[in-house]
Formats: sequence, structure tokens, C-alpha cells
Amino acid sequence: GAVVSQHPSRVICKSGTSVKIECRSLDFQATTMFWYRQFPKQSLMLMATSNEGSKATYEQGVEKDKFLINHASLTLSTLTVTSAHPEDSSFYICSVLAVNEQFFGPGTRLTVL
Amino acid sequence: LAKTTQPISMDSYEGQEVNITCSHNNIATNDYITWYQQFPSQGPRFIIQGYKTKVTNEVASLFIPADRKSSTLSLPRVSLSDTAVYYCLVGDNGAGNKLTFGGGTRVLVKP
Repeated sequence: GAVVSQHPSRVICKSGTSVKIECRSLDFQATTMFWYRQFPKQSLMLMATSNEGSKATYEQGVEKDKFLINHASLTLSTLTVTSAHPEDSSFYICSVLAVNEQFFGPGTRLTVL
Repeated sequence: LAKTTQPISMDSYEGQEVNITCSHNNIATNDYITWYQQFPSQGPRFIIQGYKTKVTNEVASLFIPADRKSSTLSLPRVSLSDTAVYYCLVGDNGAGNKLTFGGGTRVLVKP
């Protein structure tokens, strides 16, 4: 299966700042990656589908101007949380689609003060 | 995407077999059933996938009745390290592969 990494694993930022989270596919060229968000004690919620070389597809209710996704290469997708607020504090997880199966990254814990 | 229903939580003891049943009454013909395991502060990990009847791998077994409206994940002889949340997902591998996670089942294995 595909090996997926995320950076950083944890980030704490002040309200109003922007935070970039990287998702890397280490051994597979991924045309499609997914971004999820998970609040404490809750399930994963799909935010968007990231397609290499084209615009991301966002799920209903997810603001595309707030959660900027860039998938510039087959091994890297980035999620930028712009003007972060405390309610954006969550666990952000990416996944790589490899041969009809999704492989998940370890997640990034974002805390906005 | 078919919706799934699972028990919220389940307790077990080391060495026992754990069976988690998932209901997916609206499963479509092209849908597969996939189970993931998630430990706290980690990404989900694939456990097993099936379409019908029984599938077994080194970690678990998946039982799917003929009508496919439910499925049961069986974890043999659990250990403390199997304490996790288990998610049942149903989806068409060809339909963009979007996964919709339900509530999951929180399994606690006690010594």
C-alpha cells in the first residue's frame, strides 16, 4: 500500500493566522488525495477531494476560500487554513487514493488559540 | 452513498472474539464493504474489504449475508492493543472513491 506522511504532526497558532498542512505520498504517485477533519470523539468528515493539476472539489458546507487546497505534484497536496479561528481546531487527516483503496496519513492536530 | 449503522461502543476482554455488526440497508449493487481501524490521534488503517459471503485475512474476518444489508467484522482473540474505533464504510470503488464515515464502534478491550 501507499505510505502517506503529514507535516506538521502538531501545530499551535494564534487566531487570525494561516496554517499550511502538507500531505505527502512517499511511494505512490497520487492523482487523487482527500482531506478530512475530525473533531474530538467524532467521526471523520470529508472536506474535499484534491486532484493533481486541477481545482479541488469541496464538500457541501466547506468554505473553499478558507480551506485552500493545492495539489501541484503527484506526491504533495497542501491544505492551508486561512485566518484560523478556535473553532478550526481539529485533527486534519489526508488520504491517498491508490488503486481503488485509500491510505491515510497520520494526521495533523491543529490548535488555534 | 449508502448509510451505515453500528453500535456506538462495545466492551470485551483479552482473548475473546469480538463481532461488530454494521447495517447498510441501502447498499447498492456496485458497493463494497470496507472496515477501518483508528487509534486515538492517528489516521484510519484499512482492515478488510468484501463484497459478499466471507472474507478472511491475517487480522480479521468479514461475514456478509446474501442480501448484503449487513456485515459483521470478526476480530479473533483480541488483545489490549485492539482497543480502537472501528468504522464500517460502504461505497462504490469506481464512484470517485469518496468515503463517508459513520459514527464507528468504540471497542474497549479489558485485561
